Amino acid sequence: QKEVEQDPGPLSVPEGAIVSLNCTYSNSAFQYFMWYRQYSRKGPELLMYTYSSGNKEDGRFTAQVDKSSKYISLFIRDSQPSDSATYLCAMRSNFGNEKLTFGTGTRLTIIP
Amino acid sequence: NAGVTQTPKFQVLKTGQSMTLQCAQDMNHEYMSWYRQDPGMGLRLIHYSVGAGITDQGEVPNGYNVSRSTTEDFPLRLLSAAPSQTSVYFCASSYSGAQETQYFGPGTRLLVL
Repeated sequence: QKEVEQDPGPLSVPEGAIVSLNCTYSNSAFQYFMWYRQYSRKGPELLMYTYSSGNKEDGRFTAQVDKSSKYISLFIRDSQPSDSATYLCAMRSNFGNEKLTFGTGTRLTIIP
Repeated sequence: NAGVTQTPKFQVLKTGQSMTLQCAQDMNHEYMSWYRQDPGMGLRLIHYSVGAGITDQGEVPNGYNVSRSTTEDFPLRLLSAAPSQTSVYFCASSYSGAQETQYFGPGTRLLVL
């Protein structure tokens, strides 16, 4: 079983809809939770990260972490065609230079 | 700032050939890393470095070598290319202990025939 599970999609939603992207994980030592956006044939771009549990909002994006359920989410409000990309979750523990563990990514398409 | 740069963008190799993938960053980051991205596998760490002269293995290091002679550069060497090394390779960098804010390069697409 993978440490981080992410539904690969693809996920298609109409423009303006609220998008919910999710990851589950098994390692209770994970403390940092990241969301990356990756456009086709480009490198991943950090959208936001959270430390431990709770919510974090940045414009149309909201990240949620529920450590009791080992479940993280990224919500995109008022989705735009420019949001069409693959979204990767990643996480790591709090120990020094501990590596990131990535999900496999969810491919999202926003339909105009 | 150019951020993280990678060369070449695309490369075709024959089995058994060697090559070096270049990575450079201009943000004075101590931590640099190499990942490969394969369909259905996510990003997997190959090697990483926490500073000049210090390197360590990630989860898939076999067939790859790295060195870190300067803070800015972190080349990845394929010793004897195999078709299993066909992948997209990303270099990333961050401040030490801050991998949650890694910056990624644009990637190198490698095809081994």
